[in-house]
Amino acid sequence: GIQVEQSPPDLILQEGANSTLRCNFSDSVNNLQWFHQNPWGQLINLFYIPSGTKQNGRLSATTVATERYSLLYISSSQTTDSGVYFCAVAKNNNDMRFGAGTRLTVKP
Amino acid sequence: KAGVTQTPRYLIKTRGQQVTLSCSPISGHRSVSWYQQTPGQGLQFLFEYFSETQRNKGNFPGRFSGRQFSNSRSEMNVSTLELGDSALYLCASSLWGDQPQHFGDGTRLSIL
Repeated sequence: GIQVEQSPPDLILQEGANSTLRCNFSDSVNNLQWFHQNPWGQLINLFYIPSGTKQNGRLSATTVATERYSLLYISSSQTTDSGVYFCAVAKNNNDMRFGAGTRLTVKP
Repeated sequence: KAGVTQTPRYLIKTRGQQVTLSCSPISGHRSVSWYQQTPGQGLQFLFEYFSETQRNKGNFPGRFSGRQFSNSRSEMNVSTLELGDSALYLCASSLWGDQPQHFGDGTRLSIL
């Protein structure tokens, strides 16, 4: 099956800092999504981005499908951005494969 | 629009018992997927249902099963529970399966 690797595994930032999270995947995909799991366990869909670039407020994402990676950018981080960020991919819309996640801690 | 609703939120069972979890998708969504989340294995795909048919299945034993009803609500069943089945079970819905998935708050299952 498709392998999904996320980096870094852990990230600690001061409030206001910017960060880039990376997701590498081992095969071509037609479905790629980024999720944020907050400290209460709720998974929130951030982006559906099998290719191209999207922006939503302080967050943006870019997927370069031909090179099999995606990046999630967080600007001017806030304490509420803390949690785990997951990348998930699927090939031919089969089972979604999740990465191990990046645990982000934003300190005030 | 109401989100994805999972019931119950918490459940405690003993080894050998069986359990049924319920998921009501967002209105209009026809695809429902189930995932298991554990600290050791992370988020793993269980199965996906679309129009009452299992369309995709992950690598879990046959003790894990599911179904979907005509109103798109879905249930998953785990029989002969084992200690390792303790996990957060998450349900996600989407329009067709290849669009953004929206997750419920999960059911936290503890096996004693």
